[in-house]
Amino acid sequence: DTEVTQTPKHLVMGMTNKKSLKCEQHMGHRAMYWYKQKAKKPPELMFVYSYEKLSINESVPSRFSPECPNSSLLNLHLHALQPEDSALYLCASSQERRAQGTGELFFGEGSRLTVL
Amino acid sequence: QKEVEQNSGPLSVPEGAIASLNCTYSDRGSQSFFWYRQYSGKSPELIMFIYSNGDKEDGRFTAQLNKASQYVSLLIRDSQPSDSATYLCAVKTSYDKVIFGPGTSLSVIP
Repeated sequence: DTEVTQTPKHLVMGMTNKKSLKCEQHMGHRAMYWYKQKAKKPPELMFVYSYEKLSINESVPSRFSPECPNSSLLNLHLHALQPEDSALYLCASSQERRAQGTGELFFGEGSRLTVL
Repeated sequence: QKEVEQNSGPLSVPEGAIASLNCTYSDRGSQSFFWYRQYSGKSPELIMFIYSNGDKEDGRFTAQLNKASQYVSLLIRDSQPSDSATYLCAVKTSYDKVIFGPGTSLSVIP
């Protein structure tokens, strides 16, 4: 069983909708990540939070808005998405982002998003 | 040049054989190296990590790292049909991002 929990598992939304993806971890990790994965492609980094502060934004369009309310929770707010944004959105956590010799990511099961 | 590259697949091996997966990376300052397994429709699962040059063994899996050659490999001994999956090499770069290679699809034939 994964210790990173993502909800919802599946989401279908129209281009004018506003929705949110949620992620929760109970491993005491201080870094949390959003990745996007299209079919037959590797996960692609979107955002990184370290100690609840946004530390990396990989030039993601503003229709994706991340939020980290506390060290255990990570949200991804979605607004005015395009059909090409349909993908598997993966949340991950790690012990600390900058610590030497660490960095293993533990993934949730993902939220499969379909934009109509 | 892509940051992380892997040997192109798909790779097919008979059951019981050794599967060899290779990965190269471009950032010489990269710190940590990971192998993830991903079954179709599932999320990536960490199976091995390695930080120092040399070999690291865990059960049927052996990871090998050569920082001078910027090369990481994964050997799977006694391959089983349940090992059939996509194997993703991931690298924690010098700028603290974990970047994934394109993946190699492995098929173990009974």
